[in-house]
Amino acid sequence: AQKITQTQPGMFVQEKEAVTLDCTYDTSDQSYGLFWYKQPSSGEMIFLIYQGSYDEQNATEGRYSLNFQKARKSANLVISASQLGDSAMYFCAMREGNSGGSNYKLTFGKGTLLTVNP
Amino acid sequence: DGGITQSPKYLFRKEGQNVTLSCEQNLNHDAMYWYRQDPGQGLRLIYYSQIVNDFQKGDIAEGYSVSREKKESFPLTVTSAQKNPTAFYLCASSPGTYLSPLHFGNGTRLTVT
Repeated sequence: AQKITQTQPGMFVQEKEAVTLDCTYDTSDQSYGLFWYKQPSSGEMIFLIYQGSYDEQNATEGRYSLNFQKARKSANLVISASQLGDSAMYFCAMREGNSGGSNYKLTFGKGTLLTVNP
Repeated sequence: DGGITQSPKYLFRKEGQNVTLSCEQNLNHDAMYWYRQDPGQGLRLIYYSQIVNDFQKGDIAEGYSVSREKKESFPLTVTSAQKNPTAFYLCASSPGTYLSPLHFGNGTRLTVT
C-alpha cells in the first residue's frame, strides 16, 4: 500500500491566486514528520515546509502553509498568491519516527505538477 | 557555504560498465541517502546510511552498491547488474532525527546506452 498519495498529477492556477495541493498519508506510527518539496525543471529538490505529528498548529512559511488534518491523515500544501516561479513539481513526503532502524527514511509521493498561468 | 555536492551533473556510460556517482556533504550530518527518480515519478530510496561504516538497503537496492568510509562522503556505484540504470540520481543528507528535513544535492543524470 502506498504510504503517501498525491491524487492530482497536474494542477493549473492563475497568477496571484491561491492553490491547494493534496496529500494523504498512511502510517501506524504516532510520531512522524510530513514534508513538502518543490522540484523545478532544473531538478534540484527544495525543502518548503514541515509538520510534526504532535504539532497542534498548522505550519506556515511565507506563502506556504500546511493544512494538517491528523484524523483524516491529510497534509495539504496551500500556496497563496501564486507566482510564475511557483511552476514546478511538488512532492509530499513522510518520515516515520517509531520504526526502529528505518526511522530515517523519507518516503515520497508521486508528485503534482503545478503550472501557474499569467 | 554548507551543502551537498554531487558530481558530475551529467554522466554517460556504455551498457555493461560500472559507474560511480559522487556525493559529498559539509553539513556535518550523520545520515546520507541515495534516491532514484524516473521521468514523471517520485523518488525511490536506493540506500541509506545512518553512521560511518554502516548502511542499509532501501526499496530498490538491487544492482547498486555504496560505501560510507567517511562522514562527508557516500558514493553510489551503479553496477552492470542494474537492468535499467538510466535515471536521475539524488543524494541527500540530514541530521539523524525524523523531525529533520533532508537536504538534497543537485543530482546526477545518468544515461546508459
